[in-house]
Amino acid sequence: LAKTTQPISMDSYEGQEVNITCSHNNIATNDYITWYQQFPSQGPRFIIQGYKTKVTNEVASLFIPADRKSSTLSLPRVSLSDTAVYYCLVVAFQKLVFGTGTRLLVSP
Amino acid sequence: GAVVSQHPSRVICKSGTSVKIECRSLDFQATTMFWYRQFPKKSLMLMATSNEGSKATYEQGVEKDKFLINHASLTLSTLTVTSAHPEDSSFYICSARGGTDRSYEQYFGPGTRLTVT
Repeated sequence: LAKTTQPISMDSYEGQEVNITCSHNNIATNDYITWYQQFPSQGPRFIIQGYKTKVTNEVASLFIPADRKSSTLSLPRVSLSDTAVYYCLVVAFQKLVFGTGTRLLVSP
Repeated sequence: GAVVSQHPSRVICKSGTSVKIECRSLDFQATTMFWYRQFPKKSLMLMATSNEGSKATYEQGVEKDKFLINHASLTLSTLTVTSAHPEDSSFYICSARGGTDRSYEQYFGPGTRLTVT
């Protein structure tokens, strides 16, 4: 299972764009990069998933360079409700193993 | 996305008793279910993986006789914490994965807060 490394915490303000980078140097060919969001006392919620280049959905964008050894989750114009822990995982068909995650705090 | 439910959402039990937590996939067939536990301000820790109709596979350090997992159908898995102790107090989360071509996607339940007094 590929190990991931991401910042422990980040601070931002409402309306700003937040970029959270995750490194996964040992990513395998079959692995996808997946990001989850977790609020206190709730289960993780799927945000976005990608394999290479750029993926965008209604809540976020995911940028993956050609070597796939890192990825960046981009949250446009964050609001207070985006305060949460964000987990980066790489996974193919095996179990999900969570790293420490990034605790994002959005202030007014 | 797919929906996974857990019941109960909260449970308080006395030390020495057993507690059962249910995890259901509501709108898809879950060939594989996973159980995690999470302590305050910590990450999720995978406890075990269960495939429908077979025995669960436990992660290293997780006592299989203490945390009994049953995955009897494609929509239901149960976790029973036997002879619970205060140190078993935690947030237990299940997730489910279907056997489709997008089998890398997992859907998480809302979690169950267990407090052992």
